[in-house]
Formats: sequence, structure tokens, C-alpha cells
Amino acid sequence: DSGVTQTPKHLITATGQRVTLRCSPRSGDLSVYWYQQSLDQGLQFLIQYYNGEERAKGNILERFSAQQFPDLHSELNLSSLELGDSALYFCASSVGQRAYEQYFGPGTRLTVT
Amino acid sequence: DAKTTQPNSMESNEEEPVHLPCNHSTISGTDYIHWYRQLPSQGPEYVIHGLTSNVNNRMASLAIAEDRKSSTLILHRATLRDAAVYYCILRDTRPPNTGTASKLTFGTGTRLQVTL
Repeated sequence: DSGVTQTPKHLITATGQRVTLRCSPRSGDLSVYWYQQSLDQGLQFLIQYYNGEERAKGNILERFSAQQFPDLHSELNLSSLELGDSALYFCASSVGQRAYEQYFGPGTRLTVT
Repeated sequence: DAKTTQPNSMESNEEEPVHLPCNHSTISGTDYIHWYRQLPSQGPEYVIHGLTSNVNNRMASLAIAEDRKSSTLILHRATLRDAAVYYCILRDTRPPNTGTASKLTFGTGTRLQVTL
């Protein structure tokens, strides 16, 4: 158990809909990262927040957005969903000064039908 | 980001050492070498990282070539629990990916099978 929790574990929704994925980092970790894992693209970095502020951005689509709240939990919002958005979404966290060691949650499996 | 090349798959017998290679010929002086692994149906897990010197921890050892163009992850005694996809990742520490900003760029990894 990494100490990172993600909800929900599974999510099935229809195209065009909007969903919110939630992540609670390990106690004391200030950084939260979001990754997407699909069969054709592999594991891709989406975005990182540190203590509430965006710090790094990857190939995150404009339809996707994220935020980190004062209690350090984070949410990833996916809108206008397409079939190709079906994937595993992982959240990871790290202590700011030890950003090389990221702790990953169990993931949320999103299925868009 | 500099690229890494790993074999698609490797096999090992239980209780034997495993050497997982990674080539990174375009590595820059500011790139750290990270290894993560992903067990079936789980999120990735940090294994080890290094810059220039060989590193050891409770999970594995990391041997880095003198020219840093390749590295090897060493599992000293493979167990069935070590069956996973192992990712060799170069983390660029140049701005803006520095300080508290840190992204990992995963490749396709090596799928390690461990048999009895």
C-alpha cells in the first residue's frame, strides 16, 4: 500500500459526459502528479501540482483540467469524453524535496462507451 | 526528453540474479536515471535512481556505465513477486523540470517473467 488513495476504482460513462477523479496523497506529501495509461500510448504524464500550484504540464488535453485543494487532495476533471479517453488514470505523490521518488495510487479505470 | 531503450521482455528463474539493461546514449549531464516497476494490476512503484555512481538499496542495485550511456538494474535474487514491467526513465532536471517540478516520462519497459 503506497498510502495514495484514488476514487473511484472504476468508472463507466458515455461519450460527451464529464467525470471527476479524486486523489488523496500520502500524508505529508505536497506534490501530486496525474498520469494516464492506455494500451496504445503507455504511461503518460499529464500534470503536476505542488502545494496548490501547477508545476509541470505534459500532454494534457484542453478538455482535461486538474486542481489541488488546500488540504492537498487533487481532482482531475475530464469533460466531453471520447472513446479514446478510456484508460487507467494514476495519481502519484511525493515530498517536494524528494520528487524523484513518486508514490503511485491504485488507479481509476475509466471506460467511455 | 532523452530516450531509453530496453528489451521488450526477459525471463529469469526464481532465486537467481537478474540483470535488466537500459541504453540511453543521448543522456545529458543533468539527467537522473530512474527505475520504476509496475506489478500486474497495480500502479508503478519506485525502485531506485542514480546520477553517476552505482547505487544500492533494499530492493535492487543500479550499475551505471562510466560514460552513462547505459545502466543495469540488478535484482540479486528474483522471486515470483518480482514479475513486473520494469521502466528505465531519464528525469531531466533542467528548468522548468527542476526543484519542485518533476515529471517522469515512461517508455515501454521490460516485462520480466520469473519462473520456478
